Amino acid sequence: AQSVSQHNHHVILSEAASLELGCNYSYGGTVNLFWYVQYPGQHLQLLLKYFSGDPLVKGIKGFEAEFIKSKFSFNLRKPSVQWSDTAEYFCAVIPSGGYNKLIFGAGTRLAVHP
Amino acid sequence: SQTIHQWPATLVQPVGSPLSLECTVEGTSNPNLYWYRQAAGRGLQLLFYSVGIGQISSEVPQNLSASRPQDRQFILSSKKLLLSDSGFYLCAWTVNRNTIYFGEGSWLTVV
Repeated sequence: AQSVSQHNHHVILSEAASLELGCNYSYGGTVNLFWYVQYPGQHLQLLLKYFSGDPLVKGIKGFEAEFIKSKFSFNLRKPSVQWSDTAEYFCAVIPSGGYNKLIFGAGTRLAVHP
Repeated sequence: SQTIHQWPATLVQPVGSPLSLECTVEGTSNPNLYWYRQAAGRGLQLLFYSVGIGQISSEVPQNLSASRPQDRQFILSSKKLLLSDSGFYLCAWTVNRNTIYFGEGSWLTVV
C-alpha cells in the first residue's frame, strides 16, 4: 500500500540553525508532492509543491524541497530557521493513476528556540 | 471561486449517539473528496475518499461511514459514536491532483 514516512517526529533547533526534514514515499509511479505547515492553533498552509520539472522547488518563507526520484524522497530544507518557524510540518503525496489517493505523513513537530 | 464548506465546526455528542459531518464544495465539478482525522502524533489519517457520486473507498476499519449523494457533497457519519471517535475531522478536495483545498475542520468530542 502507498505510504508516506516522515522520519523525524520531533525536531528542536536554535534560531539560525539549518533545517532538513525527511519525507519518503512508497509508490513506483508518478507522484505529486506537497509540504504543508500548521502553526499552533491554525489551519494547514501550503509551503510548496512539486509536479514535474526542476526537482528543486522553492516555497514560501524561505523553504525549499528537493525531489529525488531514485530515493523516493522529498526533503524539506531551510538554511536558517527562525522562532516563528515553530510548527508542525506535513508531507503529502498524490500518486498518479488509481483513485488519486491523497496521503499525508505523520508530521514533524519543529520547535525553534531563540 | 473555489471554496469548501465544512460543518459543524464543533460538536459534543454522547456515546452511542449518531454523527453527521457535512462537506460541500463550490466552484468546481467532479472533485476528488477526502475525509481525514487529525490526531496528535499521527498526522492526517485518511479515513475515506471518493472519486465520484456514490463511490466511496474506506482506508481504515472503524466506526464511521461516508457517503457522496451529490457531486460536491461528502458526508461523514456514524450510527453510534464511541469515545475513541473524538478528534479533529478535516474534509479536503482536489481536482487534477494539483491543488488541495481543506475545509475548516470539525472538532468532535464524544462524552
